[in-house]
Amino acid sequence: ILNVEQSPQSLHVQEGDSTNFTCSFPSSNFYALHWYRWETAKSPEALFVMTLNGDEKKKGRISATLNTKEGYSYLYIKGSQPEDSATYLCAFRNTGGFKTIFGAGTRLFVKA
Amino acid sequence: GAVVSQHPSWVICKSGTSVKIECRSLDFQATTMFWYRQFPKQSLMLMATSNEGSKATYEQGVEKDKFLINHASLTLSTLTVTSAHPEDSSFYICSARDYRATNEKLFFGSGTQLSVL
Repeated sequence: ILNVEQSPQSLHVQEGDSTNFTCSFPSSNFYALHWYRWETAKSPEALFVMTLNGDEKKKGRISATLNTKEGYSYLYIKGSQPEDSATYLCAFRNTGGFKTIFGAGTRLFVKA
Repeated sequence: GAVVSQHPSWVICKSGTSVKIECRSLDFQATTMFWYRQFPKQSLMLMATSNEGSKATYEQGVEKDKFLINHASLTLSTLTVTSAHPEDSSFYICSARDYRATNEKLFFGSGTQLSVL
């Protein structure tokens, strides 16, 4: 059974704080790792798709790293803003499958 | 960017009735769409993979006769919850991949909250 774990489950930070969360996934047969941002009452939106060990991606104040050998990815948010409040989902796809398995998400609350 | 429209956003129905949820890709073609269910504080659980012009592929433990999937065109997939019962109450959401794209990105609908009384 493929398992994707995200931690922490939720996080409360102050505006301006930098923060990061973790996604753990099976280290064998890796194909791709996705990060999505899901705001309340909206659709999940793709942030990054990473495929290579050591990949680092950046979009504005948000960045992500990938370690496929040990099976983890970090998502970093620099200088959090209230509009960053959302659930951040990671998802894993292996080489043997067509489907993408999701973690339960990290719920981020940024207080002004 | 690519948009996936999902309707309805929420539905309340009586036990025993059937509910149809539509998922439509508005500006791209999707040979494959995915249907998920999410219970509170849990992961998005893949229920089935909907394939245009062929039968859907269901995940283990998901009853195909209970959750009917039809993917009749490259832009539309429907999920019908047949004879719904209170335990089917959940959040259902679809996603699709642009079949022309080389990346892995999934585009999601906004979800449907189903409440069965």
